[in-house]
Amino acid sequence: EAGVVQSPRYKIIEKKQPVAFWCNPISGHNTLYWYLQNLGQGPELLIRYENEEAVDDSQLPKDRFSAERLKGVDSTLKIQPAELGDSAVYLCASSFQGDTNTGELFFGEGSRLTVL
Amino acid sequence: AQSVTQLDSHVSVSEGTPVLLRCNYSSSYSPSLFWYVQHPNKGLQLLLKYTSAATLVKGINGFEAEFKKSETSFHLTKPSAHMSDAAEYFCVVSSRGSQGNLIFGKGTKLSVKP
Repeated sequence: EAGVVQSPRYKIIEKKQPVAFWCNPISGHNTLYWYLQNLGQGPELLIRYENEEAVDDSQLPKDRFSAERLKGVDSTLKIQPAELGDSAVYLCASSFQGDTNTGELFFGEGSRLTVL
Repeated sequence: AQSVTQLDSHVSVSEGTPVLLRCNYSSSYSPSLFWYVQHPNKGLQLLLKYTSAATLVKGINGFEAEFKKSETSFHLTKPSAHMSDAAEYFCVVSSRGSQGNLIFGKGTKLSVKP
């Protein structure tokens, strides 16, 4: 069974440029998460989807970040414009709906963003 | 509010010796607690979880953790370290008050010397 797939794995851009990350969750997983992981820190939730609906986006900086999950499967996270402080690893995870409280999330390998 | 504190940012052990990674938690609710492992350039993987059943929880690769409510701790242990255990380990609490969002600690990097 394929795991959570993310692309690109690495991205280097100059500040003020836009960037987008894509995530394909495990087949059948209703819940999709985007996490931000800064160097030397644990992941922090940006947004959580239940099917197509964003049920928790309280930590998403909405002035420059946006996300979508059309058709309740793949998801895209966009930053426009990127700032130096956005350099981090962006993690996507998925789970079966109802497993959220059991903590059984399946993570992708992440997209590492470097903003110059 | 829920939070976890990992008491050591870096732990170094010799192969074949015991591993102890320490975690204290704070929770307004009866917590669910987890340990995740992150190998270099790999995705995070669930090691084990505590969800109010047995206080001693066994996970994959010989790891286990004990939930101690009186000490608000959930330390991760392994009797004998293997070189392949070298990775970053995260203690995690589930925030049921926020519909189960996971709150990660800052991580403990485990190094294993030959």
